[in-house]
Formats: sequence, structure tokens, C-alpha cells
Amino acid sequence: GAVVSQHPSRVICKSGTSVKIECRSLDFQATTMFWYRQFPKQSLMLMATSNEGSKATYEQGVEKDKFLINHASLTLSTLTVTSAHPEDSSFYICSARDRGSLTQYFGPGTRLLVL
Amino acid sequence: KQEVTQIPAALSVPEGENLVLNCSFTDSAIYNLQWFRQDPGKGLTSLLLIQSSQREQTSGRLNASLDKSSGRSTLYIAASQPGDSATYLCAVRRGQAGTALIFGKGTTLSVSS
Repeated sequence: GAVVSQHPSRVICKSGTSVKIECRSLDFQATTMFWYRQFPKQSLMLMATSNEGSKATYEQGVEKDKFLINHASLTLSTLTVTSAHPEDSSFYICSARDRGSLTQYFGPGTRLLVL
Repeated sequence: KQEVTQIPAALSVPEGENLVLNCSFTDSAIYNLQWFRQDPGKGLTSLLLIQSSQREQTSGRLNASLDKSSGRSTLYIAASQPGDSATYLCAVRRGQAGTALIFGKGTTLSVSS
């Protein structure tokens, strides 16, 4: 089946630094990728929808200048958490939509801990 | 704004029991509904997907139903096993194919042997 990878799987950083998370579709082209955030014992909350070659659409309440999303190719989207703070510590999951079948596949997630 | 609610939040059952997980959504204008499984600290595994025109889907010991007009779905697990222990998430796709999934908070299931 289709595979979506995320890198890194875990990251610990100091407060104030920036962290980049990569999401790749390994065997299909993804014109659309979605970024979700999940706090402990909470559901996945949609942060933004990114379309290849265009600006991401952010959900209400998500700061676009803090969570920079780049979707430069049909197989790669990146989420950069800028000037990270402890409250940004969370589980970030990406999802990629297959260009052909429109099926949505999820990555394994990236756990971010900001000290 | 679409909201998805799952009841109960947690459930503990002995091995072998049949059980039902509930999901409700506020906006019946959905494209499809999907049930996922999430193991601790892991990503999502898709279990069943029901299109808005369908009433139910089955896969092995799992059966999911959809009543779009009332905004409800259930996931039935037959003959539960310890390996079924996980968090089960219900998600609805708003609007058209390819749009984002909106998730409920999940039901954490524990099956004891």
C-alpha cells in the first residue's frame, strides 16, 4: 500500500529554536497534504492544508507565521515550527492525498518536545 | 463548523466480548466517514471507510454503520481480543473528495485477557 514517511520521528529542541518536519509520499504523487497536531489524550486537530506549488490554507487559530508550510514538490511537504515554545510540544501528523485515487494516507507522526 | 463526538471516551472489556463504539457529527453534509485505529505514540491505521451513500461496511470482526441523516456512526467489534486494545478514532470528510478529515477525540479501548 501507499506509504507516507515523516522525518524526524522524534525531536527535542530548546525554546526559541526552529524545527523542520518533513513529510514524504514514497510511492505516489500528492497534490494535497494535510498537517495535523495532536495533544495528549486529544484528537487530531487540522492545522493546515497545503497544495503543491501554492500557499497553504491555515485553519482558524493557527498562526501561519509560526507554522511555516512548504509544499514544493508532489512528494514533499515541510512544516517548520519557528521560535518553538514548550506549548508547541505535541505530536504532529501529516497526511498526503494520492493525486490519482484521492485516497488519503497518514504518516507515522513526529513527536516534538520543546524544553 | 463540523464537530465530531465519540462516546465513550474509554472502555474496558474482557476478552471475547462484543462491543460498540459511537460517533456523532453535527453537520450531516459529509462526503464520507472513516474509522481509524491509533496505537500509543503511533500514527493512524485506517479500518473502515463508509461513503455517504452507504449504510455500512464490514472487515473481518469489524462492522461500521452510518446514519447520515441523524449524524451517527457506530463501530461494532465482535469477539474482542487483547490485540484490539488501542484508541479508535472516527473522522468525517467535509465537502468533497480530497478535503480534510475532521476527527473525534477517540475511544480508548482496553481488552483484558
